[in-house]
Amino acid sequence: GDSVTQMEGPVTLSEEAFLTINCTYTATGYPSLFWYVQYPGEGLQLLLKATKADDKGSNKGFEATYRKETTSFHLEKGSVQVSDSAVYFCALSPPNAGGTSYGKLTFGQGTILTVHP
Amino acid sequence: DVKVTQSSRYLVKRTGEKVFLECVQDMDHENMFWYRQDPGLGLRLIYFSYDVKMKEKGDIPEGYSVSREKKERFSLILESASTNQTSMYLCASRSTPAKNIQYFGAGTRLSVL
Repeated sequence: GDSVTQMEGPVTLSEEAFLTINCTYTATGYPSLFWYVQYPGEGLQLLLKATKADDKGSNKGFEATYRKETTSFHLEKGSVQVSDSAVYFCALSPPNAGGTSYGKLTFGQGTILTVHP
Repeated sequence: DVKVTQSSRYLVKRTGEKVFLECVQDMDHENMFWYRQDPGLGLRLIYFSYDVKMKEKGDIPEGYSVSREKKERFSLILESASTNQTSMYLCASRSTPAKNIQYFGAGTRLSVL
């Protein structure tokens, strides 16, 4: 079955440091790939997504590129802020989002990011 | 803005009790989902519903059931709560298949004593 593996956390950085959170997946075909973020005390919200190979998703300074050859979707940000402290989840949904998969998401285990001033 | 509302942020129940977790969305979405979130395990799908009165099991349905009598409301039921069901429960609804984005509620933290 489908699976998503994220780098182990927690990750602790100083403000303005470079961030990478690794994500690799196992799935058949071309799934859609997502990064969701969960701020303290809140539900998850979509950070960015990509639906086909070599697509780059970007939002709020975060970027991730869909790499089919390495089955990866690593999250990067050039300069993190204290307000980026949150839990980050990589996820995938099967290729046929309009069909009987109904866009079911398979999540990685989550990576806790803490940014210090 | 899409709003997904879960009726309780915190619940404390006793072993053997029947527990209802309620979720309401305001965007007329057809698909709704229930996940549980546990540290180190990420989110795991319990059940989902693709239309009113229609449901399918997710990856961990044992000990749970669901109800969807109206399009906007999706309820998760713990028939007889057990301590291993202590967890954070998250509800989500999905936009159109073309956009394929799930919107989440703030979660219900359930403790079963």
